[in-house]
Parts: sequence; C-alpha cells; structure tokens
Amino acid sequence: RKEVEQDPGPFNVPEGATVAFNCTYSNSASQSFFWYRQDCRKEPKLLMSVYSSGNEDGRFTAQLNRASQYISLLIRDSKLSDSATYLCVVGPGGYQKVTFGIGTKLQVIP
Amino acid sequence: SAVISQKPSRDICQRGTSLTIQCQVDSQVTMMFWYRQQPGQSLTLIATANQGSEATYESGFVIDKFPISRPNLTFSTLTVSNMSPEDSSIYLCSVDGTSGSSYNEQFFGPGTRLTVL
Repeated sequence: RKEVEQDPGPFNVPEGATVAFNCTYSNSASQSFFWYRQDCRKEPKLLMSVYSSGNEDGRFTAQLNRASQYISLLIRDSKLSDSATYLCVVGPGGYQKVTFGIGTKLQVIP
Repeated sequence: SAVISQKPSRDICQRGTSLTIQCQVDSQVTMMFWYRQQPGQSLTLIATANQGSEATYESGFVIDKFPISRPNLTFSTLTVSNMSPEDSSIYLCSVDGTSGSSYNEQFFGPGTRLTVL
C-alpha cells in the first residue's frame, strides 16, 4: 500500500460546481497534513494545512478523519482559475521529511 | 513564507556532463530538501540537505550521482552527475521550518527544468 494515495483524475467539473477530493494515508502516526496546489509547469504552493477540527478558507474546506486515515478537500463554487493539480501531503511532525501523493488533476470547464 | 530562488531555471545538457543547481533562501531555515519531478509524476524526494554534514539520501539515490552541499542555513547545491536522458526532469528545492511556519510546512523554489540530450 502506498504511503499516500490519491485519485489522479482528471476531475472535469463545470464552473460553479462543488467538487471534493480524498486522500488516504497509511501511517497512523502521521501528524501533519496539507493540501498543495500545483499549476502546470510551476512549483507546488501550499493551499492549506489540515487541522484535526477541520478548517475552512473561503471556498475551500479541509477535513481530517484520523479513524479512517484520510483527508479531504472540498471546493465550492468552482472557478476556472481553480484548474490545477491538488497534491495531498502527509508528514510525521517535527523537522522531518513529508510524503507527497501523486496529485489529483482538476479541470473546471466554462 | 521564505523567498526561494533557484539557478539555473532551465538548462539543456549533453549526456555525460554534470550540472550544479543552486538554491538560495532569503532567511535561515532548518531543513532543505531536493526533489525531482518527472513529467506527469508527483514529487520524489532525492535527499535532505543537512547543514555542516553529509546529506541524507532516499532509497534509489546515491551521493556519487547527486552530490549535495549545504555550507550554511540559507544555501544548498545539488549536482546531477554524468547525466543521461533519464535525468531529464524538474529539480525542486524546498525548505521547512521558516519563521512562523508549522512543522512540515514546505515552501518550494521555482524549479530547474533539465533536459539531457
């Protein structure tokens, strides 16, 4: 089983739609969880951290389910500019390396 | 977040040669990492660059092929040695532990796009 698993997609959704991505992780001792966004031919950029209580940033909501070992990202009212690859990242906490998922590609269609 | 620059931004190299990529951060950071991202793939960690000591390499990556230096807390280099076309990839530097960030929160440089002929 991979350490971090994501559906690579692509997810093709119309503008204004709500879309959700899940990401599962295998190490139950993981402490840090993030979603990154990567545009074509660009470096990954931190979208949001994922906290145990869940967190929201505008149209974006992230959730953590420790019992089932997955994190989710919900995007409401999709915009064309949301088209990108969304990378799930899981880490052990402390100053240690993290593990990236393969990424989920989102294409928002006019 | 830290401002990270990489040089060169891209290069086209001949088989058998070596290329050194530089990563400069505008503030002192605890951890620096080097990743590779091949076309259509996610990021693969090559090594953790340790200040003042040898880098820690991941499985499948060796020092002879990817020597790394980290002379201080703001700078690191990655060399891709004796290149072959299979080394064509994007190489990314990242940092962790900048002031105000959470553990494991990483910030990336813009990447170096390498093509080996």
